[in-house]
Amino acid sequence: KNEVEQSPQNLTAQEGEFITINCSYSVGISALHWLQQHPGGGIVSLFMLSSGKKKHGRLIATINIQEKHSSLHITASHPRDSAVYICAVNPGTASKLTFGTGTRLQVTL
Amino acid sequence: DSGVTQTPKHLITATGQRVTLRCSPRSGDLSVYWYQQSLDQGLQFLIQYYNGEERAKGNILERFSAQQFPDLHSELNLSSLELGDSALYFCASSEPLSGSSYNEQFFGPGTRLTVL
Repeated sequence: KNEVEQSPQNLTAQEGEFITINCSYSVGISALHWLQQHPGGGIVSLFMLSSGKKKHGRLIATINIQEKHSSLHITASHPRDSAVYICAVNPGTASKLTFGTGTRLQVTL
Repeated sequence: DSGVTQTPKHLITATGQRVTLRCSPRSGDLSVYWYQQSLDQGLQFLIQYYNGEERAKGNILERFSAQQFPDLHSELNLSSLELGDSALYFCASSEPLSGSSYNEQFFGPGTRLTVL
């Protein structure tokens, strides 16, 4: 079993829809990261969280440390949001990242 | 643009060969991480350097080695290449650690290695 699980694996939404991607982890962590990978392959860091909630524009990330669960929300989705969203954690006190398998999001007009 | 550069972007080589991937971190970042992304294994941590010293090791094969130079750029050497080594190799860098063990990581564009 992977230490970091994401759901769903694939998601198709229409423009304007509210999207939620979930991440569960089974180990103690010091932080959780949400990353975005575009079709060209490049990876961009969206959020780093150790507690609570963060918001950047239309993106919101939350984490519940007790339940070992995080969610990434996209409000008013747009076709340019189409990408793979990857949840990653710093396990224990490590600096390295352990990754989920990613959620492939496609937003259509 | 993350500020992390990687060369080359693409590399095509044959089994048994040796290649070197290069990474330059963001200005001021002391940590460099190497990750491998393959279709079957996803993203996996290979190795971390911090200010020239190896800091942590992950699922890195013995055929692979890395180093970080005094100017903080890093190289990942892959030898005796096999078909299964075909993957995207990313490096990432992060700011100097100050109290906590984790920082946001900034990823380079990756090197796509194809072993034929």
